[in-house]
Amino acid sequence: DGGITQSPKYLFRKEGQNVTLSCEQNLNHDAMYWYRQDPGQGLRLIYYSQIVNDFQKGDIAEGYSVSREKKESFPLTVTSAQKNPTAFYLCASNLLGNTEAFFGQGTRLTVV
Amino acid sequence: AQSVTQLDSQVPVFEEAPVELRCNYSSSVSVYLFWYVQYPNQGLQLLLKYLSGSTLVKGINGFEAEFNKSQTSFHLRKPSVHISDTAEYFCAAVSGGYNKLIFGAGTRLAVHP
Repeated sequence: DGGITQSPKYLFRKEGQNVTLSCEQNLNHDAMYWYRQDPGQGLRLIYYSQIVNDFQKGDIAEGYSVSREKKESFPLTVTSAQKNPTAFYLCASNLLGNTEAFFGQGTRLTVV
Repeated sequence: AQSVTQLDSQVPVFEEAPVELRCNYSSSVSVYLFWYVQYPNQGLQLLLKYLSGSTLVKGINGFEAEFNKSQTSFHLRKPSVHISDTAEYFCAAVSGGYNKLIFGAGTRLAVHP
């Protein structure tokens, strides 16, 4: 089955630690996106990538980093510089020229 | 500014009643419009989309939406809701050349027996 897989589903981080969220897709999609979801605020774009080895900042990129070494993978690192990282993180992808985006099941990150 | 506004944060409704979830978009975003549904602790699933053509768009699970250019609206409707429709619903619009989606804040639909 084609789709987007995010892992882990739940993640706990100690203050001061970096953590990496995984996002893999086997849909052969060109573009991939990371969104952060907080209650009552909808989804906010963190980073996006159109092609391998290229990515752009979204609206709330501070404290986050990404890489796109392979078309299928777009991991997100939440660094210690992100002051309020507790949130639900969603990865999405689509074909360029096709506006429909497909979403993963999300990762819930909690700082302990 | 580019924005999508969902006018109701919560909508309570009784089972089998009709429902309308309201969405307005700013004229600075493109008119590619979407409604997504999210069940608890899950990702988003596409309900329907408007790209061009007929202004009345039908989606999955009996939902439909009407694109109104003059009112810059894209309201979601269902004539008779079911308990299983309880979820959060997001309106979204495409912005820019990279197909970036701009989301509204979401509307929590609560269907009561």
